[in-house]
Amino acid sequence: GAGVSQSPRYKVAKRGQDVALRCDPISGHVSLFWYQQALGQGPEFLTYFQNEAQLDKSGLPSDRFFAERPEGSVSTLKIQRTQQEDSAVYLCASSSLALQETQYFGPGTRLLVL
Amino acid sequence: ELKVEQNPLFLSMQEGKNYTIYCNYSTTSDRLYWYRQDPGKSLESLFVLLSNGAVKQEGRLMASLDTKARLSTLHITAAVHDLSATYFCAVEASWGGSQGNLIFGKGTKLSVKP
Repeated sequence: GAGVSQSPRYKVAKRGQDVALRCDPISGHVSLFWYQQALGQGPEFLTYFQNEAQLDKSGLPSDRFFAERPEGSVSTLKIQRTQQEDSAVYLCASSSLALQETQYFGPGTRLLVL
Repeated sequence: ELKVEQNPLFLSMQEGKNYTIYCNYSTTSDRLYWYRQDPGKSLESLFVLLSNGAVKQEGRLMASLDTKARLSTLHITAAVHDLSATYFCAVEASWGGSQGNLIFGKGTKLSVKP
C-alpha cells in the first residue's frame, strides 16, 4: 500500500509569506506526528494528532506555527509570516496507534525562506 | 528532559571492516528505534528494540539494547558501500503529556569507502 506522502516536496518562500504543508498519512493510521529537521540534525518533534484531536503541540516553536487534521486523515502544517530560521525539512510520520508503534515517515517538505 | 546522544557523529570506514555506533539516552524508555536516512530522503525504520537484552539483526546490521545502562548499539559487520547513510537512534517519549513522540539523536553519518 501507499506510504506517507507529503506535498509540496520543495517550497521557497520570501520572508513574511505564509506557507502550508500537506501530509497524507497511511490509510487507517490513527496517529500523526510532525517533525522539523534542520540541516545536519536529527528530527525534532513539533506536534501530534490522534485522529482529529491535537493532543500535543508542545514542540511548536512559536505561535506562527499551526497544525490541523480536521477529518482525522490529511493534516496541514501552516507557518505564518515565515522567518529564515524556519528553513528546514518538515517531516510527517504516521502510526497505527500512538505509543509503542513504529512511526512511518514521509519524504518531507524542504522549506527555504529567503 | 530526555536526551539522546549518539557517537560517533561521523564515521569513515573501509569496506570489509567492523564498527559500532553507540546511543545513550538519559531516562527510562520503553522502546528504542534505529532509522536510516539517505541524503535527501526520508527516514527508513531499521529496528525496534522493546526490552532489556533485545538483539535484532538484519543483514550486516545488528542492534542491541541495555536498558539498565540506557545504551543501544548498532554494530556493522563487514561494511559495504551500500551502507553509507546517516543512522539515527530515537527513544519514545512516554511520560506525562507526551504521546509517543520520538526524541532523536543527532545522527551518525557513515561513509564506507572501498
